Amino acid sequence: DAGVIQSPRHEVTEMGQEVTLRCKPISGHDYLFWYRQTMMRGLELLIYFNNNVPIDDSGMPEDRFSAKMPNASFSTLKIQPSEPRDSAVYFCASSFRDRRAFFGQGTRLTVV
Amino acid sequence: AQKVTQAQTEISVVEKEDVTLDCVYETRDTTYYLFWYKQPPSGELVFLIRRNSFDEQNEISGRYSWNFQKSTSSFNFTITASQVVDSAVYFCALSAFGGSGTYKYIFGTGTRLKVLA
Repeated sequence: DAGVIQSPRHEVTEMGQEVTLRCKPISGHDYLFWYRQTMMRGLELLIYFNNNVPIDDSGMPEDRFSAKMPNASFSTLKIQPSEPRDSAVYFCASSFRDRRAFFGQGTRLTVV
Repeated sequence: AQKVTQAQTEISVVEKEDVTLDCVYETRDTTYYLFWYKQPPSGELVFLIRRNSFDEQNEISGRYSWNFQKSTSSFNFTITASQVVDSAVYFCALSAFGGSGTYKYIFGTGTRLKVLA
């Protein structure tokens, strides 16, 4: 398997623009997690899905953030409008019953 | 509340020294899993170990060892004879029950380890 695939790897956008991050989990995994990594806060859990259903979005910082999982092989994290403080590395991870999270390579987002 | 605390923000050691990274967790669950991940400068997150709450045996893998103590809610990680390639950020994580019978991973803020030649 190719592992968790995230795109794009790098994104530079201007403040106010919409940003969409994409994730393809490992086939057969039933959990998908979105994390944000910053120096100050480490790895913050933003939202997670189980069998494509959002379970807990309490980590989503503001209404500007939204996430969807239309099917078992695809998820998006959208920021609209983006702000400079959203600059971070965003990771997607998936897992199955053995409770080990497999991470994607991350998307480095820079909002200028 | 579910929480993972890595109090050491950054540690620097000289090559061949032993180093221990601390991890303290909080959970009310009786069944849970603990993990360590390594994040080298390249940025990916590399899985190192998973330990379930019913298994308090220490584990050794090469130069790596883990000490799990439920009495102190700690899951510490020791690198023996450190090498420059061990330089990375290390994350401790807790798998805890979330809503609707699901679970989620809670990560600590990480410890940056610098091994100097």
